[in-house]
Amino acid sequence: DTAVSQTPKYLVTQMGNDKSIKCEQNLGHDTMYWYKQDSKKFLKIMFSYNNKELIINETVPNRFSPKSPDKAHLNLHINSLELGDSAVYFCASSPLGTGYGYTFGSGTRLTVV
Amino acid sequence: GENVEQHPSTLSVQEGDSAVIKCTYSDSASNYFPWYKQELGKRPQLIIDIRSNVGEKKDQRIAVTLNKTAKHFSLHITETQPEDSAVYFCAANTGGFKTIFGAGTRLFVKA
Repeated sequence: DTAVSQTPKYLVTQMGNDKSIKCEQNLGHDTMYWYKQDSKKFLKIMFSYNNKELIINETVPNRFSPKSPDKAHLNLHINSLELGDSAVYFCASSPLGTGYGYTFGSGTRLTVV
Repeated sequence: GENVEQHPSTLSVQEGDSAVIKCTYSDSASNYFPWYKQELGKRPQLIIDIRSNVGEKKDQRIAVTLNKTAKHFSLHITETQPEDSAVYFCAANTGGFKTIFGAGTRLFVKA
């Protein structure tokens, strides 16, 4: 039974398109995150949500819009995709916001062509 | 804000040797320091963590040390095995909703 599941696993799309990535966790965690991992493997936080409320928006372009319908789900919608958006996007969750270890999803490899 | 530096970026060891990865952090308010292992094509997974009220923690072949005064923490892997080959990330958290990751260390264990 997957703890943090992301779909799709791979996404190949053209510049200018709009796409969404979905994330669900069944761990009962209060806090969910989106991280971007670039080609050099650097993990950079994008958003933090606690119990459906946006807590952190780490100066991500407005083209990225997260949505949390409930505390078990955190989706990411990206408008007008650009070449530089190509990366692996990881969803994660933790029990509280207070620095417990994350459980990561399996990642979504986004390729913009 | 918090900044985490990690060294080395690449580490190659012979099977059975020890490996040490070092990190420094900038925010003295950081109080939680997890380490993650990411195998090729997989998700990062938590392997060990330490809180600021503890100087050292061990779990079988893995240990982490923390020097709060110097703002250093390190990962030690003893008796390395080929399956230890992966990218390792250190991270720091101030107790809030943001964990900052180091840039990662690619560990190669040669059989």
